[in-house]
Amino acid sequence: GEDVEQSLFLSVREGDSSVINCTYTDSSSTYLYWYKQEPGAGLQLLTYIFSNMDMKQDQRLTVLLNKKDKHLSLRIADTQTGDSAIYFCAETNTGTASKLTFGTGTRLQVTL
Amino acid sequence: GAVVSQHPSWVICKSGTSVKIECRSLDFQATTMFWYRQFPKQSLMLMATSNEGSKATYEQGVEKDKFLINHASLTLSTLTVTSAHPEDSSFYICSARSMTHTDTQYFGPGTRLTVL
Repeated sequence: GEDVEQSLFLSVREGDSSVINCTYTDSSSTYLYWYKQEPGAGLQLLTYIFSNMDMKQDQRLTVLLNKKDKHLSLRIADTQTGDSAIYFCAETNTGTASKLTFGTGTRLQVTL
Repeated sequence: GAVVSQHPSWVICKSGTSVKIECRSLDFQATTMFWYRQFPKQSLMLMATSNEGSKATYEQGVEKDKFLINHASLTLSTLTVTSAHPEDSSFYICSARSMTHTDTQYFGPGTRLTVL
């Protein structure tokens, strides 16, 4: 089955950029997503990218997709303490009716 | 827009009782809703896919008689955990797929279930 992997933990200083990485195995992925989860809460959709795109920017967020290497990254510019959360990447392909396969999640800790 | 609510947000029940969790799309219609389970410090595990007016599709290893799903309208799906046991304690999250943005899922805030 599909597999999505992320590093478990990332610590950055406030004001620095954060880069969260994700690798996946499904070569037929059509959409790739980034979700944010704060403690005890549901998932907030941050952004998503269609598989025929290389990059998408939305304010402080930049998503890069290397389809050849099946590598997705999320860059958060000027990271703030409010960005501390768990970040999940997820992928889907249209053949599975938008069933999402989630990564293991990366805990981002922002220090002063 | 695209708000999904869950009720209750947390529930504590005795072993052997049944618990119903509601998932509502507040400002959009959802033909498909999804139910996930999340254990502490782990990722989300899809339990079932629920389509309005039809039977839910369960993932491998999920007992359909244990986790009853009903999707009676385009804005409401319910998950009933029947004869709950302590091992059913978990964080249950639903998501809804909009009819107009079919490749985006919007998630509810989750329901924490604790079975004593």
